[in-house]
Amino acid sequence: GAVVSQHPSWVICKSGTSVKIECRSLDFQATTMFWYRQFPKQSLMLMATSNEGSKATYEQGVEKDKFLINHASLTLSTLTVTSAHPEDSSFYICSARVAKGTGTEAFFGQGTRLTVV
Amino acid sequence: AQSVAQPEDQVNVAEGNPLTVKCTYSVSGNPYLFWYVQYPNRGLQFLLKYITGDNLVKGSYGFEAEFNKSQTSFHLKKPSALVSDSALYFCAVRDTGMDTGRRALTFGSGTRLQVQP
Repeated sequence: GAVVSQHPSWVICKSGTSVKIECRSLDFQATTMFWYRQFPKQSLMLMATSNEGSKATYEQGVEKDKFLINHASLTLSTLTVTSAHPEDSSFYICSARVAKGTGTEAFFGQGTRLTVV
Repeated sequence: AQSVAQPEDQVNVAEGNPLTVKCTYSVSGNPYLFWYVQYPNRGLQFLLKYITGDNLVKGSYGFEAEFNKSQTSFHLKKPSALVSDSALYFCAVRDTGMDTGRRALTFGSGTRLQVQP
């Protein structure tokens, strides 16, 4: 299957600093990537939909200025957590679909565990 | 709107016994249904999907799922469980309709499968 690589796998940062997470589709082009957040023992909550070459679409309640998403190419989307605080500590997962057509499954990155201290 | 319900937080089964992980869904149109598995601190791995056709879908690692339109269910099954199947399982749905290429999946709350030796 298609491979989605997410980097870094884990990161610890100080409160107030910014952290960038990369999501790459290694062997396919992804016009759309999705960013999810997962709290311990909970399901994945969609944060935003990232479309190549245009602004991301954020879900209700997700702060656009805090979670900056850039999808500059068909193989790379980045999520930057700006001015991180301990409550931003979470597991962040990206996914991408192979094609725009219906019925194709999404492939997921391995996730990034962010800890803000 | 689309939603998924996984009524069981945890399912315990003895190795070698059959397992079932339940999932029901709600969509306004026709559903695309997916099962994913997640191991600790990892992203999601695709198991199987139902798009159309045969209601019994076979997937990876010996798993299968049965689509039941009248009961709006898509239960995950395996004839003989392995200890290595122990993980977190997510059911997901995407509604058919316009612009489905850009539509994210909606996930259930997850069910932890514990297979005892």
